[in-house]
Amino acid sequence: DAGVTQSPTHLIKTRGQQVTLRCSPKSGHDTVSWYQQALGQGPQFIFQYYEEEERQRGNFPDRFSGHQFPNYSSELNVNALLLGDSALYLCASSNPYRGSFKDYEQYFGPGTRLTVT
Amino acid sequence: DQQVKQNSPSLSVQEGRISILNCDYTNSMFDYFLWYKKYPAEGPTFLISISSIKDKNEDGRFTVFLNKSAKHLSLHIVPSQPGDSAVYFCAASAKGGSEKLVFGKGTKLTVNP
Repeated sequence: DAGVTQSPTHLIKTRGQQVTLRCSPKSGHDTVSWYQQALGQGPQFIFQYYEEEERQRGNFPDRFSGHQFPNYSSELNVNALLLGDSALYLCASSNPYRGSFKDYEQYFGPGTRLTVT
Repeated sequence: DQQVKQNSPSLSVQEGRISILNCDYTNSMFDYFLWYKKYPAEGPTFLISISSIKDKNEDGRFTVFLNKSAKHLSLHIVPSQPGDSAVYFCAASAKGGSEKLVFGKGTKLTVNP
């Protein structure tokens, strides 16, 4: 049973560029959440996708956008990269909304380390 | 405005002894709490959770205690093992766990052989 997978593992971009990160949820999960973890901090919630729609959003600018596909996988896009966007980007999956077996625990992938120079 | 606080950045214990990690929260809407363990260069690994309708949940060597009146929870690890050395994050959610997770800054646990 595959857990949450993310790609790429590492990424180096230049300020002003755009980046796309990808996530496949754990089998049986239909909800994907994205988090940003800066050095020495806990993960910060960016947004959550369910049924291909953004359901919740954290305090991040519109430069951060996402998408969920019919197979429940998801993308995180960041435009006009800033040096401060350098962080570990984590994807988490869960199944909190439907079905007889709800899974509220969010399971995390290994993350994508983004460095903006 | 930090809604979930882990006031101890680090904790060091001897192998075989008890490790107690603490967490405080301020938002009374939180009703689901989780602990995660994180090794360097890996994503957080789910350890144990507790709903606000309970005051204790146990899973093997890990026990989480919730004191709603004090808005405080703790994670007990007994006995501690060197492999438990990692950063531990406390997280909270509202609406039974379907809402976003709000994390503390983490506590680095070191278990000495």
